[in-house]
Amino acid sequence: QVHLVESGGGVVQPGTSLTLSCAASGFTFSTHALHWVRQAPGRGLEWVTAISHDGTKQHYVDSVRGRFTTSRDNSKNTLELQLNSLRPEDTAVYYCVRGVDTAWFSAFGFWGQGTAVTVSS
Amino acid sequence: EIVLTQSPGTLSLSPGERATLSCRASQSVYTTYLAWYQQKHGQAPRLLIYGASTRATGIPDRFSGTGSGTNFTLTINRLEPEDFAVYYCQHFGTSPWTFGQGTKVEN
Repeated sequence: QVHLVESGGGVVQPGTSLTLSCAASGFTFSTHALHWVRQAPGRGLEWVTAISHDGTKQHYVDSVRGRFTTSRDNSKNTLELQLNSLRPEDTAVYYCVRGVDTAWFSAFGFWGQGTAVTVSS
Repeated sequence: EIVLTQSPGTLSLSPGERATLSCRASQSVYTTYLAWYQQKHGQAPRLLIYGASTRATGIPDRFSGTGSGTNFTLTINRLEPEDFAVYYCQHFGTSPWTFGQGTKVEN
């Protein structure tokens, strides 16, 4: 059974950094691309970043490019999101997501429960 | 970037009725890369439909997806109490992956 568990959220001040983690189990981690999707309070879903199965390819939404970095450790079945230069508009629940299959472009079939990030002074 | 526009914003219906939700893309998309999700309050989203019309594992057949090109529809036949939620369409065929703004189905 696919299991994704996010951690690392919290309350931070603008301009600071935070690292989110996602621990995965129940599947062959190294064969699947992974994503982070966020949801601001009372708002819709926003895709944030994707990383290929081997970590060699990353994509970012324009609003976080240059500030956020996604990485993975296939030996530890973990995904990370480094959030730098945080802004109040980055306040959201961040979800770790896996596709339904191993394709790069795959529907988001598996979601973690999310970790909340609040950026406030 | 493919922009997805969902309508209506809110749909007020009763159990047993049919819900028809629309998703319009800013440019033509392959049906392969169009999905629908359900999100209940305080929960993570759940995949309902992908490939525009294929139900995900465990999704009841009262949920159906149709459409092509720029116009896609999610239909929920005979609404059950657990179906009242927010629904999002998504395009996942290019970067950036994009979501519509959501349609709330309320009782």
